[in-house]
Amino acid sequence: KQEVTQIPAALSVPEGENLVLNCSFTDSAIYNLQWFRQDPGKGLTSLLLIQSSQREQTSGRLNASLDKSSGRSTLYIAASQPGDSATYLCAVNEEYGNKLVFGAGTILRVKS
Amino acid sequence: DGGITQSPKYLFRKEGQNVTLSCEQNLNHDAMYWYRQDPGQGLRLIYYSQIVNDFQKGDIAEGYSVSREKKESFPLTVTSAQKNPTAFYLCASTLTGNTEAFFGQGTRLTVV
Repeated sequence: KQEVTQIPAALSVPEGENLVLNCSFTDSAIYNLQWFRQDPGKGLTSLLLIQSSQREQTSGRLNASLDKSSGRSTLYIAASQPGDSATYLCAVNEEYGNKLVFGAGTILRVKS
Repeated sequence: DGGITQSPKYLFRKEGQNVTLSCEQNLNHDAMYWYRQDPGQGLRLIYYSQIVNDFQKGDIAEGYSVSREKKESFPLTVTSAQKNPTAFYLCASTLTGNTEAFFGQGTRLTVV
């Protein structure tokens, strides 16, 4: 059974720092991996989608990498801002089953 | 604007009562999903549907039921058999089973 783990569970950094969020998964048979942002009491907003054949994707200050063989992905946030404060979730889309399996998320706080 | 609409935003259920959560999408997506989120946990899949008039159980389907009579709509009923229904419920859709997922803003269900 696929399991997704996110480390750290929570992170607090001063404004302007570059930071890395980690995601690992146990079964490398995936179609893609998706990173989401969730604000308190809200739904999920898609940030980046990486196909299994890709190594990384970039959107503005965000860069996500994928190492499928080792079961790892990282989300890099450059020059963090207080507005980046949220919970970040990663999810893998399994090759079989056509469904997303989520990690528990990393709660990020960027202090001004 | 295309998107996913969940209603109501807040819902209160009395013991022994069935309640239905609405999810509507105008993205012309084939697949729709229901997830449950509990504090400090990742999202868990309740039911999903790849096509109209067909749906499959997810990891925690007991005490829930769904229907998919129209492409745009995927309502979730929380029955009295669900013993711990208090949670945040999220609906999602994808164009096909393995493409980018989009989420609604969620419904918070509380048992009173």
